Amino acid sequence: DTEVTQTPKHLVMGMTNKKSLKCEQHMGHRAMYWYKQKAKKPPELMFVYSYEKLSINESVPSRFSPECPNSSLLNLHLHALQPEDSALYLCASSQTQPGAWGTGELFFGEGSRLTVL
Amino acid sequence: DAKTTQPPSMDCAEGRAANLPCNHSTISGNEYVYWYRQIHSQGPQYIIHGLKNNETNEMASLIITEDRKSSTLILPHATLRDTAVYYCIVWGSVNAGKSTFGDGTTLTVKP
Repeated sequence: DTEVTQTPKHLVMGMTNKKSLKCEQHMGHRAMYWYKQKAKKPPELMFVYSYEKLSINESVPSRFSPECPNSSLLNLHLHALQPEDSALYLCASSQTQPGAWGTGELFFGEGSRLTVL
Repeated sequence: DAKTTQPPSMDCAEGRAANLPCNHSTISGNEYVYWYRQIHSQGPQYIIHGLKNNETNEMASLIITEDRKSSTLILPHATLRDTAVYYCIVWGSVNAGKSTFGDGTTLTVKP
């Protein structure tokens, strides 16, 4: 199984809603990532978890709250978002922790397309 | 973080080789060069990576210059399904796992 599964594929929410994006992998990877991608732009790194601990937060606003309940799951909790937060949110995993030699390839999910009204 | 520079777009005839360049002149000694591609509305897909030697797999070849300041991804026989945005990334312990994507090259394979 070399898949990263993201749910939901599409999400529409209002600015006062609370919702969550979910990501799951069963490859035994110990590093997991959230990226944000706006239209016609490259993915931007948001968060990195290594061995279930947050290791990188790229100064992401607190209305985005990541959670890694176990080594296979990664959540992104959303609250009080703005319309400009509408984007494709990509989850990825890699075998080893960030910063190690030859950290290996990133496996990406298909993304969750978020629209904030 | 090491930055990468790629041409914004390239065209290639179907069946011909596609050569995609990437400049990474600030690369550090322990940073690897990775290539990914993203087909419209899908997640990025890993293609290949290397440190200093040339690499080849079933998808592509990676040629890294001796000074490691640039590299070229080669798709030997491009097909229409290879139309995608191709990203070159440098990644290693120096940037502590921050895999930063550049703007990428949009490759269009034409019949």
